[in-house]
Amino acid sequence: QVQLVQSGAEVKKPGASVKVSCKASGYTFTSYGISWVRQAPGQGLEWMGWISAYNGNTNYAQKLQGRVTMTTDTSTSTAYMELRSLRSDDTAVYYCARTPHDFWSGYPLGENDYWGQGTLVTVSS
Amino acid sequence: DIQMTQSPSSLSASVGDRVTITCRASQGISNYLAWYQQKPGKVPKLLIYAASTLQSGVPSRFSGSGSGTDFTLTISSLQPEDVATYYCQKYNSAPSFGGGTKVEIK
Repeated sequence: QVQLVQSGAEVKKPGASVKVSCKASGYTFTSYGISWVRQAPGQGLEWMGWISAYNGNTNYAQKLQGRVTMTTDTSTSTAYMELRSLRSDDTAVYYCARTPHDFWSGYPLGENDYWGQGTLVTVSS
Repeated sequence: DIQMTQSPSSLSASVGDRVTITCRASQGISNYLAWYQQKPGKVPKLLIYAASTLQSGVPSRFSGSGSGTDFTLTISSLQPEDVATYYCQKYNSAPSFGGGTKVEIK
């Protein structure tokens, strides 16, 4: 069965960086992409970006450009999301989700059918 | 950027009622639209993709329709286990989510 298992909760100080991992199993990792979505306390869902596990192509949300980097390690079927220069409003639950890969465009394109369990990142001095 | 606007932001209905949630895109997105259900404290769950295709395992009381800019999620007969917040998402370039609709039982 498809599973996405994320790393544990993190507490960081403002200005620090955080790197969240998402280990996939139960499917061919390189045939899909991984999306990252976050949810601040009591708020809605925010798309952060996605990465193709096939070719490493990425597309980030404009508001996070320059602060976020998404990578994959195909040898371990693991995706990573690093967010730098953390601020208090980055406090949120961070989710990874499987996304179909569009081989025509070379980018992920589609719905998120399987999700990780979420990783709480708290930014506080 | 294309904005996704959901309405209403919340609703209260009785068990057995037909419930309709609307999602409007600021520009046409063809059928690149998904609907998710998120129960309190839980991970979002995919209900509908390609605007009207029911995800495997999702009860048939859920249905989606629309194309272009106007989309609808319908629950044909509301059940207690449907209490949740529902989100639409456009997923062609630069995906984004609607603000959510909280569904409660009257």
